Amino acid sequence: EDQVTQSPEALRLQEGESSSLNCSYTVSGLRGLFWYRQDPGKGPEFLFTLYSAGEEKEKERLKATLTKKESFLHITAPKPEDSATYLCAARALGGATNKLIFGTGTLLAVQP
Amino acid sequence: GAGVSQSPSNKVTEKGKDVELRCDPISGHTALYWYRQSLGQGLEFLIYFQGNSAPDKSGLPSDRFSAERTGGSVSTLTIQRTQQEDSAVYLCASSLDRGAPLHFGNGTRLTVT
Repeated sequence: EDQVTQSPEALRLQEGESSSLNCSYTVSGLRGLFWYRQDPGKGPEFLFTLYSAGEEKEKERLKATLTKKESFLHITAPKPEDSATYLCAARALGGATNKLIFGTGTLLAVQP
Repeated sequence: GAGVSQSPSNKVTEKGKDVELRCDPISGHTALYWYRQSLGQGLEFLIYFQGNSAPDKSGLPSDRFSAERTGGSVSTLTIQRTQQEDSAVYLCASSLDRGAPLHFGNGTRLTVT
């Protein structure tokens, strides 16, 4: 069964304290690994798509990387405005479906 | 340009009533998705529309749930005879085509009392 697991469930950092969020996936034929940011009361906001192992994408203080089994979202010198829930999702090959399978997210709190 | 628009933003209904949730996708986006997000749980896929193809309904939890997409644009998710376990945030997303990232609306928070 296709599955996406994120860890940790919650992470508290001090401003400037770098860390990484993990997303492990088991899907039959990955057709994209997606990272989203979700603020309270809002829908998920698209951040990155990664397609193949070794690929990296960067945006401001965020960098996403991909291996054959997991993806990492690295946060460098975070600021309080980076506080949010970070979701990853995998799109699997095959059939009529084109759905993204989401993990349950990592709730990040960055304290000043 | 405008993002995905969902209405209403909040809906409180009594158990047993029917509700309709509306989604206006981004103009030009051919794919449209409905997801459900419950407290402490991940996003749960409900249904996917792509152009004029038959929708993928594999995620609908029961026959009380249905959705349609008129004219390849606006979509309506209908829940009949609502139950308390239907309480959740219902999110709509659209994408430019089959392989593109999804862009989400801010959801409809449904509370069944």
